[in-house]
Amino acid sequence: GENVEQHPSTLSVQEGDSAVIKCTYSDSASNYFPWYKQELGKGPQLIIDIRSNVGEKKDQRIAVTLNKTAKHFSLHITETQPEDSAVYFCAARTSGTYKYIFGTGTRLKVLA
Amino acid sequence: EAGVVQSPRYKIIEKKQPVAFWCNPISGHNTLYWYRQNLGQGPELLIRYENEEAVDDSQLPKDRFSAERLKGVDSTLKIQPAELGDSAVYLCASSSGDSSTEAFFGQGTRLTVV
Repeated sequence: GENVEQHPSTLSVQEGDSAVIKCTYSDSASNYFPWYKQELGKGPQLIIDIRSNVGEKKDQRIAVTLNKTAKHFSLHITETQPEDSAVYFCAARTSGTYKYIFGTGTRLKVLA
Repeated sequence: EAGVVQSPRYKIIEKKQPVAFWCNPISGHNTLYWYRQNLGQGPELLIRYENEEAVDDSQLPKDRFSAERLKGVDSTLKIQPAELGDSAVYLCASSSGDSSTEAFFGQGTRLTVV
């Protein structure tokens, strides 16, 4: 069945350093890849997304890259700040179904 | 504009008791999702609605779980009877159904079955 693998499960970085989280999906029909940030006690919130017709997208300190051939997509956070500390989830949505498959999450800790 | 609203935020019940969760999606959103999120895991889809029709309920444990979205707006998710393993956060999300928009999540209901 459809699957999304996410690595690493935990990530600690020093404030100001970059953080990279990677995901791999199995369904070649997936065409939309959102990234969610979940803070303690809250629901996931979309921070950036990318569609299959684009290889890279950037929004200030956050960027996402997509390699359709390898079925990989990655989240890049530059100049990390303590408020970036949260759990991040990648997801893949299959074309025409609106069904999202989520990764298992990455707990990011930014050390001041 | 209000986001996705869920209630209650927290619920503690004894096993074998029934429980119900309520979700009010963003106005105008035709697609509604119920997800279950176990501790330290990503959300897993339980059921997806397009208006009032359940179009994907393959992951819903139908022996004890039920859901409805009678008028294509609000939705309820019910568990009867609850088991210890049902302890999780139950998330509701909605989207406009247009392939160009994302899904918005509510804050979730944290269920503890004791």
